[in-house]
Amino acid sequence: DIQMTQSPSTLSASVGDRVTITCRASQSISTWLAWYQQKPGKAPKLLIFKASSLESGVPSRFSGSGFGTEFTLTISSLQPDDFATYYCQQYNTYWTFGQGTKVEIK
Amino acid sequence: EVQLVESGGGLVQPGRSLRLSCAASGFTFDDSAMYWVRQAPGKGLEWVSGISWNSGNIGYADSVKGRFTISRDNAKNSLYLQMSSLRAEDTALYHCAKGHCSSTSCHGDFWGQGTLVTVSS
Repeated sequence: DIQMTQSPSTLSASVGDRVTITCRASQSISTWLAWYQQKPGKAPKLLIFKASSLESGVPSRFSGSGFGTEFTLTISSLQPDDFATYYCQQYNTYWTFGQGTKVEIK
Repeated sequence: EVQLVESGGGLVQPGRSLRLSCAASGFTFDDSAMYWVRQAPGKGLEWVSGISWNSGNIGYADSVKGRFTISRDNAKNSLYLQMSSLRAEDTALYHCAKGHCSSTSCHGDFWGQGTLVTVSS
């Protein structure tokens, strides 16, 4: 089974900050990686797929990069609506999620 | 507008069974892989099961293999999860998700709000 390790688990930041979340796969997954945003009581929302492709309607301040086993999600300038929990997901072999990163207000 | 509406959750005793449903609309259901993902209270996302558009490819997480069965009825635009031998650790919000596939690799591009399953005596 492919394991996904996401860091940090919690991140405190201010509006306007540049934020980076890292995800590591236990084996190569090429670019079969997605990022989701989840707010309390809501369904996860797709942000990025195929490691770096921005889902339609998602603001351009979100970007993804990586290949193989190391991936990052970057928010270039954190907005009030971005305080949420973020999950990475591999979909090379079935699905596995990272543990999540909660982005909090500093 | 894409919609996924889960139903069938509730309070059930350990060892009993429950069947979840997911009603889909707003997209071509019989072209889409579908998935179940659960989230225990206060915890992260856990993939449960997935099924290809024609039911030809099915997978399960080790934690539910042999106890849960995924199925779909393309004529009814519906996805199902038959859960048996339920355990306390199966307590979670169960989401269905629509897959968007590139060749055989599919991510989830839309998720339902979920149905809550509570396993307790």
